[in-house]
Amino acid sequence: DGGITQSPKYLFRKEGQNVTLSCEQNLNHDAMYWYRQDPGQGLRLIYYSQIVNDFQKGDIAEGYSVSREKKESFPLTVTSAQKNPTAFYLCASSIVDQPQHFGDGTRLSIL
Amino acid sequence: DAKTTQPPSMDCAEGRAANLPCNHSTISGNEYVYWYRQIHSQGPQYIIHGLKNNETNEMASLIITEDRKSSTLILPHATLRDTAVYYCIVRVGRAGGTSYGKLTFGQGTILTVHP
Repeated sequence: DGGITQSPKYLFRKEGQNVTLSCEQNLNHDAMYWYRQDPGQGLRLIYYSQIVNDFQKGDIAEGYSVSREKKESFPLTVTSAQKNPTAFYLCASSIVDQPQHFGDGTRLSIL
Repeated sequence: DAKTTQPPSMDCAEGRAANLPCNHSTISGNEYVYWYRQIHSQGPQYIIHGLKNNETNEMASLIITEDRKSSTLILPHATLRDTAVYYCIVRVGRAGGTSYGKLTFGQGTILTVHP
């Protein structure tokens, strides 16, 4: 079945460590996105990418980095510069001008 | 992207129609109305979208007023599995600029379907 796979479902990080969240899609979508969701809040855009080897900052990019070396993959790295990384992270993909489809998310917690 | 206003919560009896309102009085001519829902601890699920005509699919119907300043999502026969947070989002339909792809999620409406 086609879809978006995020792994792992739960992730723990020690203070000062970088951590990378995986997002893979087999929908042949050009665009991919990363959102962050805090408890009781809506989603906020971190980064998005319209094509391979290109990406743009969203509303809350500080402390995060991404890469888009392959169409199918858009990993997100939460760096030690992100002061409040505990959140629910959601990846999405779409083709141009069409609705975004989301993965089931990764819940990141700080130990 | 235009801002939307939704009631914080609504209740609906199982089997009845759920009508979820959304106000988007500052919507522009090239902005679409999108509806997503999110069940606890899952990713948002796309439901339906429209520009100015009413739309219907297997999940729901979308009614947009003639002046496009408000819309209503209709779940015709709500089930317990429809309990979720429903988000109404307005965004530019065409790619380009800083609005490309950005979905601005507000607080949404918590819909509770009860037996």
